[in-house]
Amino acid sequence: ILNVEQSPQSLHVQEGDSTNFTCSFPSSNFYALHWYRWETAKSPEALFVMTLNGDEKKKGRISATLNTKEGYSYLYIKGSQPEDSATYLCAFKTGGFKTIFGAGTRLFVKA
Amino acid sequence: NAGVTQTPKFQVLKTGQSMTLQCAQDMNHEYMSWYRQDPGMGLRLIHYSVGAGITDQGEVPNGYNVSRSTTEDFPLRLLSAAPSQTSVYFCASSEQPGRNTGELFFGEGSRLTVL
Repeated sequence: ILNVEQSPQSLHVQEGDSTNFTCSFPSSNFYALHWYRWETAKSPEALFVMTLNGDEKKKGRISATLNTKEGYSYLYIKGSQPEDSATYLCAFKTGGFKTIFGAGTRLFVKA
Repeated sequence: NAGVTQTPKFQVLKTGQSMTLQCAQDMNHEYMSWYRQDPGMGLRLIHYSVGAGITDQGEVPNGYNVSRSTTEDFPLRLLSAAPSQTSVYFCASSEQPGRNTGELFFGEGSRLTVL
């Protein structure tokens, strides 16, 4: 059974705070690691697709790193804004055809 | 740009009733999948398909059937609905996973309540 774990489950921060979340995944049969952003009443949308050990990706104030050997990825948000409030999902893609999701980290940014 | 379209958006069923959730995509994606989303459990894979005529089970397939007669459509069937199938269902597609890293494109979700 493939297990993808995310922590924390939820997070409350003030506007301007920087924050980070963790995603842990199996280190074997790795193909890709995805991060998705999921706003309330909308569909999940891909933020990053990461494939190589040591990968670092950045989109504006959001960045992510990947360690495939130890099976973890971090998502960082610098200077959080209220519009960053969402659930952030990570998903582990095996060499087969399955993409397995973690339960997500729900971020609340207070103005 | 339609992307992935799911219908219906909301449905209430009685225990034992059957229904089909429809999913269509216009991106010529070969890979399509169904997930269910329950509180505290994230998205769990029900069934997936890597092309027309090919389907396979995900993590939680029991109680659901799928078929893939065309590239565009991937319906999910509940033959005899149970209260445990109350959930929000998402259809997602991507280009063929074997050729890329499989970023998923999601529909807007279908909220199903089984009484």
